[in-house]
Amino acid sequence: GAGVSQSPSNKVTEKGKDVELRCDPISGHTALYWYRQSLGQGLEFLIYFQGNSAPDKSGLPSDRFSAERTGGSVSTLTIQRTQQEDSAVYLCASSLARSDGYTFGSGTRLTVV
Amino acid sequence: AQSVTQPDIHITVSEGASLELRCNYSYGATPYLFWYVQSPGQGLQLLLKYFSGDTLVQGIKGFEAEFKRSQSSFNLRKPSVHWSDAAEYFCAVGETDSWGKLQFGAGTQVVVTP
Repeated sequence: GAGVSQSPSNKVTEKGKDVELRCDPISGHTALYWYRQSLGQGLEFLIYFQGNSAPDKSGLPSDRFSAERTGGSVSTLTIQRTQQEDSAVYLCASSLARSDGYTFGSGTRLTVV
Repeated sequence: AQSVTQPDIHITVSEGASLELRCNYSYGATPYLFWYVQSPGQGLQLLLKYFSGDTLVQGIKGFEAEFKRSQSSFNLRKPSVHWSDAAEYFCAVGETDSWGKLQFGAGTQVVVTP
């Protein structure tokens, strides 16, 4: 596609429920990144994919968080047993080359009530 | 470990005035350097980038940035701001020898007054 697409754009969920956030990167971009942006905070790295493998998942906050990428394309970030502190905007980005920087999606705003 | 510091959390500037946003980084070699802008409710848009060559780089929307190795800085400038430049600006640093993550600064919120 023309840009990085994330869905849903907004998600309200009850505490304790599981959620799935989807990212569809730019076609051909081999690198894919997930970040989290909490209110008034900077960007917190979560996980990085190169193709379907995740060389760096050091930013995942707990074992409730997991992510996968299939076909070197779409990625899903799953949060199990959501907590209120998981409320944030989850941003996905993709990249073709190191020197290009990232192209970001518009994000998914997750609210846990 | 690499780090990125944006010393100014919030800047207020008058429309038509010049703007400079500061960014300092800590890294053992010359990294890739980026500036991104985030308008309210939007994702991040790349303004400009530096990875080698001319230390003064031009970006979109009339922005430029200068890489100063001796000061480990990559400051963003615009000669004359427009009301539409009100946004949050993020400096980011990446390693040149790996695909690893970009490290982002905490951001600078820019408010433009009439």
